[in-house]
Amino acid sequence: EIVLTQSPGTLSLSPGERATLSCRASQSVISSYVAWYQQKPGQAPRLLMYDASSRASGIPDRFSGSGSGTDFTLTISRLEPEDFAVYYCQLYGSSPPMYTFGQGTKLQIK
Amino acid sequence: QVQLQESGPGLVKPSGTLSLTCAVSGGSISNSNWWSWIRQTPGKGLEWIGEIHHSGSTHYNPSLKSRVTISADKSKNHFSLNLSSVTAADTAVYYCARNGRVSVDYWGQGALVTVSS
Repeated sequence: EIVLTQSPGTLSLSPGERATLSCRASQSVISSYVAWYQQKPGQAPRLLMYDASSRASGIPDRFSGSGSGTDFTLTISRLEPEDFAVYYCQLYGSSPPMYTFGQGTKLQIK
Repeated sequence: QVQLQESGPGLVKPSGTLSLTCAVSGGSISNSNWWSWIRQTPGKGLEWIGEIHHSGSTHYNPSLKSRVTISADKSKNHFSLNLSSVTAADTAVYYCARNGRVSVDYWGQGALVTVSS
């Protein structure tokens, strides 16, 4: 079973700053099987990125994703007040089909 | 725009069976998508429970497989979750969702289910 480890656990930044969130897999994975989600309190997660670097519908271009192998990154270029939330990475496994989530990174206002 | 809505008892007794239904609107479960149940707890975070295709094919998380059944009713455009022999560890917010190719692109609002006597 592949484990996803996100870091840092909590990230404190100010609006306008750049945020870099990390997701590390316990073994090399197919990058097109990596996704990122944003979750705000009391809400369901929202898909941000799929295929590691493709933005989902309606997601602003200040969000970008990258990575390959075991290391993946979600970058928010200039933080807006509405970006402060918890972010999760997710991996799809095909044999057997399985969705695995990281433990999340909380992005909070400094 | 696809919308999903979970419904079911918010309180289940230990050793009982948790049952939830997900009503889908704005789209048909009979299309090519798979449909998932995912739960969230403070301790374990987000945990995928399993998925179903309208053909009736299912896949389950191996850690829950012995207790989980997911079914679909195309005539009602909904799908359901049964989780048997529940304990306090099954207390969670349960989400129904639509799968994209390798991610989850639409989520329900979530239903809190508490396991307690």
